[in-house]
Amino acid sequence: QKEVEQNSGPLSVPEGAIASLNCTYSDRVSQSFFWYRQYSGKSPELIMSIYSNGDKEDGRFTAQLNKASQYVSLLIRDSQPSDSATYLCAGGLGRGGATNKLIFGTGTLLAVQP
Amino acid sequence: EPEVTQTPSHQVTQMGQEVILRCVPISNHLYFYWYRQILGQKVEFLVSFYNNEISEKSEIFDDQFSVERPDGSNFTLKIRSTKLEDSAMYFCASSEGAGMTQYFGPGTRLLVL
Repeated sequence: QKEVEQNSGPLSVPEGAIASLNCTYSDRVSQSFFWYRQYSGKSPELIMSIYSNGDKEDGRFTAQLNKASQYVSLLIRDSQPSDSATYLCAGGLGRGGATNKLIFGTGTLLAVQP
Repeated sequence: EPEVTQTPSHQVTQMGQEVILRCVPISNHLYFYWYRQILGQKVEFLVSFYNNEISEKSEIFDDQFSVERPDGSNFTLKIRSTKLEDSAMYFCASSEGAGMTQYFGPGTRLLVL
């Protein structure tokens, strides 16, 4: 099993809809998770971090972490064309409980149709 | 808002040449990282750096690579003898502490001919 797995997409949603992005992770990955947005040719930009089981909301974004299922998701409400990008799921991995590096999934391409 | 900066934005070099990529992490951050992303592929960890030494490195980070913090603000990645397969986007990142959010710079696009 890959350490962090995502469906590469593309995921196409109409403007105003909810976009749901999913990610699974292996036992090796620690319990810190991050969602980044990456526009073509640009660097990853942090959307959300989540460390605890459950939901975390920030504006139109909600991250969900389910440690029992090793699953983390990102919901984008009221999707806008400007949300069209690749969404990267990343898990922390390190020694002694300290995260020294991020392991990224391949990213899911989201296309929001006007 | 503080941000990570990187120079140059683009670098073209001949195979076998040395390149140095530069980064200025966010000023109060203590952990520094280099990642790379080959075109069309995922972001890959290269190395992490804390307290003036490498804390972890990946299999990619072989003897051709080195990192340095030459002064209180810069963090550099040197590739001693570039190969064609080193062509990629190189991202610097920094975080306040271990396990905390890593903030990425805009990247340096390296092309090895």
